[in-house]
Amino acid sequence: GQNIDQPTEMTATEGAIVQINCTYQTSGFNGLFWYQQHAGEAPTFLSYNVLDGLEEKGRFSSFLSRSKGYSYLLLKELQMKDSASYLCAVLDSNYQLIWGAGTKLIIKP
Amino acid sequence: GAVVSQHPSWVICKSGTSVKIECRSLDFQATTMFWYRQFPKQSLMLMATSNEGSKATYEQGVEKDKFLINHASLTLSTLTVTSAHPEDSSFYICSARSGRDTEAFFGQGTRLTVV
Repeated sequence: GQNIDQPTEMTATEGAIVQINCTYQTSGFNGLFWYQQHAGEAPTFLSYNVLDGLEEKGRFSSFLSRSKGYSYLLLKELQMKDSASYLCAVLDSNYQLIWGAGTKLIIKP
Repeated sequence: GAVVSQHPSWVICKSGTSVKIECRSLDFQATTMFWYRQFPKQSLMLMATSNEGSKATYEQGVEKDKFLINHASLTLSTLTVTSAHPEDSSFYICSARSGRDTEAFFGQGTRLTVV
């Protein structure tokens, strides 16, 4: 079956760095997405990786290793507004989006 | 990024009535639209996938006669919750993408409360 695993919850301190991991087992792979979702709101797109390596976009970076079925989202210089759920999603061989359950990130002052 | 507009943002309806939710892609042609349901503190649950001009594909356990999906044009899809019951109260979110390997953009979501 298809499976995406990410931690349920993480806590970090304002100004620090946090890494949210995502491992996946899917039928085929056509890219991995990270989304941010604040409580009560729809998800917003953060990043898309289809090749191995690190993609940097401001304070957020996303890494992919296809051979290991692994990705992480790195958030630097954490701000209180970064408190949200972070969703990992994989496009499988049929170009269907398979969603992880999300990681709730709590930022403390 | 591209804009997806979902309407209404919230709705309260009486049990037994029907509610229609609209999802529009404002600045791109959405070949595929997705409808999700999300209960409090839970992850997105895909209800159905619709391609323009064809019937929607429903996920297992989702009643197609209860959740009517229409994707008649490349910019509009609608979800109608028929004969709504309190257990249908949830956050309904649509997303759209222009190509099969592009990111999906989300509407703002509709909070449905059935009383």
